[in-house]
Amino acid sequence: DSGVTQTPKHLITATGQRVTLRCSPRSGDLSVYWYQQSLDQGLQFLIQYYNGEERAKGNILERFSAQQFPDLHSELNLSSLELGDSALYFCASSPRNNEQFFGPGTRLTVL
Amino acid sequence: DAKTTQPNSMESNEEEPVHLPCNHSTISGTDYIHWYRQLPSQGPEYVIHGLTSNVNNRMASLAIAEDRKSSTLILHRATLRDAAVYYCILWNGNKLVFGAGTILRVKS
Repeated sequence: DSGVTQTPKHLITATGQRVTLRCSPRSGDLSVYWYQQSLDQGLQFLIQYYNGEERAKGNILERFSAQQFPDLHSELNLSSLELGDSALYFCASSPRNNEQFFGPGTRLTVL
Repeated sequence: DAKTTQPNSMESNEEEPVHLPCNHSTISGTDYIHWYRQLPSQGPEYVIHGLTSNVNNRMASLAIAEDRKSSTLILHRATLRDAAVYYCILWNGNKLVFGAGTILRVKS
């Protein structure tokens, strides 16, 4: 158990819909990262927040957005969902911008 | 992003040491070498990292070549629980860029 929690564990939705994935970092970790893992693309970095502010951006689509709240939990919002957005979404947290601790992931299925 | 090259897969016998190689010829002076692994149906797990010197922790050892263009992750006694995908990553301060990794199979 890494100490990072993600909800929900599974999510099934339809194309065109919008969903929100939630991540609670380890106690005291200020950095939160989001990654997407699909069968054809592997693990891809989406975005990083540090103490509420966006720190780095990866291959995140414009339909996707994220934020980190004052209590340090983070949410990843995915809108206008397409079949290709079906994937595992991982959140990770880091105490000092070094090793990252990953949550168990949210499996998103878009039908 | 600097790139790493790893074998697609490797096989080991239980209780024997495993040496997982990684080439990173375009590494820059400020890149750290990180290793993560991903067990089936789980999120990635941090294993070890280093900059220039060899490193040991309770999970593994990391041997870094003198020119830093390659490194080797050493599992001293493989167990069935070590069967996973192992990722060698160059980290420069923020995002982790995962490659395809090495699938390690452990035979009993």
